[in-house]
Amino acid sequence: DGGITQSPKYLFRKEGQNVTLSCEQNLNHDAMYWYRQDPGQGLRLIYYSQIVNDFQKGDIAEGYSVSREKKESFPLTVTSAQKNPTAFYLCASKTGLTNEKLFFGSGTQLSVL
Amino acid sequence: RKEVEQDPGPFNVPEGATVAFNCTYSNSASQSFFWYRQDCRKEPKLLMSVYSSGNEDGRFTAQLNRASQYISLLIRDSKLSDSATYLCVVNIGMVGGVDSSYKLIFGSGTRLLVRP
Repeated sequence: DGGITQSPKYLFRKEGQNVTLSCEQNLNHDAMYWYRQDPGQGLRLIYYSQIVNDFQKGDIAEGYSVSREKKESFPLTVTSAQKNPTAFYLCASKTGLTNEKLFFGSGTQLSVL
Repeated sequence: RKEVEQDPGPFNVPEGATVAFNCTYSNSASQSFFWYRQDCRKEPKLLMSVYSSGNEDGRFTAQLNRASQYISLLIRDSKLSDSATYLCVVNIGMVGGVDSSYKLIFGSGTRLLVRP
């Protein structure tokens, strides 16, 4: 079955540690996105990529980094510079320039130890 | 003022009830509108797009009021399985040949609880 796979489902980070969240899709989608969701709040865009080897900052990119070396993969690294990383992280993808339907992965809950 | 505002609820209704949510948006240039459903600690899933003339999908009806800058979602004959958070999503980007999904603005959601 085609879809988006995020891993791990739960992740714990120690002070000063960088952690990487995985996002893989086999939908052949060009565009991929990372969102952060805090309790009682809407999704906020961290980074997005419309094509391989290219990505753009979203609204809250500070303390995060991404890469897009392959069409299928868009990993997100939460660096030690992100002082409040505890949140639910969602990866999404879509195809086409005018198709606005987003397909989401099942999310990763990141917590600080 | 938030770009997209929703009443957080919860709306607590009995099975079979009709319930309606509104969502207001601040950018008058907003081009497209959506309702997503999100279950607790799960990913959002597209429920329906919202068209200018209003649209219906089974028990769900979506309306757009550009003059007052709000969209609404009406759920008829509520089921227990409708219990979820409903996210209002507004695209403030340009459409028509340009990828504007990165300008999707998500509301914080309205929580619905349907009781037996």
